[in-house]
Amino acid sequence: GQQLNQSPQSMFIQEGEDVSMNCTSSSIFNTWLWYKQDPGEGPVLLIALYKAGELTSNGRLTAQFGITRKDSFLNISASIPSDVGIYFCAGLPPGTYKYIFGTGTRLKVLA
Amino acid sequence: GAVVSQHPSRVICKSGTSVKIECRSLDFQATTMFWYRQFPKQSLMLMATSNEGSKATYEQGVEKDKFLINHASLTLSTLTVTSAHPEDSSFYICSARSPGGNEAFFGQGTRLTVV
Repeated sequence: GQQLNQSPQSMFIQEGEDVSMNCTSSSIFNTWLWYKQDPGEGPVLLIALYKAGELTSNGRLTAQFGITRKDSFLNISASIPSDVGIYFCAGLPPGTYKYIFGTGTRLKVLA
Repeated sequence: GAVVSQHPSRVICKSGTSVKIECRSLDFQATTMFWYRQFPKQSLMLMATSNEGSKATYEQGVEKDKFLINHASLTLSTLTVTSAHPEDSSFYICSARSPGGNEAFFGQGTRLTVV
């Protein structure tokens, strides 16, 4: 099925560094969701975005709904070892209830 | 946030047998639930959309007779893998859409191993 382009695919960072990842699409979305998945677990919802230009924070996480409605960004500030995992974006196209998932960003934090 | 519970978390079955996986929304009613399959180091692949009181909608390439979905109540959807084979071994995850919103909450996932 259709997937969003998510980058980077993986990243290794030092503890305390900031992290940025993004998702892009060729079509517009009404909603952007960001999830974190730990090994062997289901994804956990981190942030939900509903309007173009919206900037929303959840602790050290900040996400933005792109103005064009075709992209979204997730930033993690001052990373810690427990931030390790796979981060997925998901978009909801207009007129549908089927979420389209990004390819995932695998994050590893070096203590 | 809303809680979705999936059971079992792990199951091992013999080839040719059937396995049922349950997905429950614990603190909200979900008219729509989704079933995904995830291969190692890959994203989630939507298998089907489960609608309460009606037939599930399957994605292209997913055998509906192989993966039976039942959404008999507003809080429970089940996925039955029939006549399982080793190639059906995978991580299966359900999600439920929040009522009146566009958020989706996931279960813990089920690791199915067919031997």
